[in-house]
Amino acid sequence: KNQVEQSPQSLIILEGKNCTLQCNYTVSPFSNLRWYKQDTGRGPVSLTIMTFSENTKSNGRYTATLDADTKQSSLHITASQLSDSASYICVVRVTGANNLFFGTGTRLTVIP
Amino acid sequence: DTGVSQNPRHKITKRGQNVTFRCDPISEHNRLYWYRQTLGQGPEFLTYFQNEAQLEKSRLLSDRFSAERPKGSFSTLEIQRTEQGDSAMYLCASSFARTGLRNTIYFGEGSWLTVV
Repeated sequence: KNQVEQSPQSLIILEGKNCTLQCNYTVSPFSNLRWYKQDTGRGPVSLTIMTFSENTKSNGRYTATLDADTKQSSLHITASQLSDSASYICVVRVTGANNLFFGTGTRLTVIP
Repeated sequence: DTGVSQNPRHKITKRGQNVTFRCDPISEHNRLYWYRQTLGQGPEFLTYFQNEAQLEKSRLLSDRFSAERPKGSFSTLEIQRTEQGDSAMYLCASSFARTGLRNTIYFGEGSWLTVV
């Protein structure tokens, strides 16, 4: 069964601290993995896209890693800011199809 | 470029009524997707268009749901005889598909449906 699981479900950190969010997937055949940021009540916004040949991808203070062998990905946020408070959703795309498998997200809260 | 536009942003309707949501994708994007998202969950795929052709439909899309993209530009999602379980945010997304390249999928802000 194609599944995307994320951990932790929620996370609270102090402003300025770093954090790492995890994503495990069983989706096959794998095409690419995406991380999205979704503010409450808003649509998701793309952060990174990685294919199986890419191990890491950065976008400003966001760095995503991918291990296609173990089917794991992580999203590392450096020097967190209050505006980072949002849900972060891991999304895996299947080769040959045109839909995406979404995780349930990690709800990040950054406090001053 | 104004991004993916959805309207209405919020809709409250009585059970049994019909509702229609509209999505205007980013211009020249040939792919358009509809997703449904409930609180605390990730979006669930409903259907996908390549130009005007509806190429894929989820089993979640019951016969009360119908989506169209008549001219390959904007799309509508209609829900007939709404039920309380239809209450959710309906997300539209679009992308420009290019063979061999990753394509970023851009989401709209969503249309919130509350069925009372």
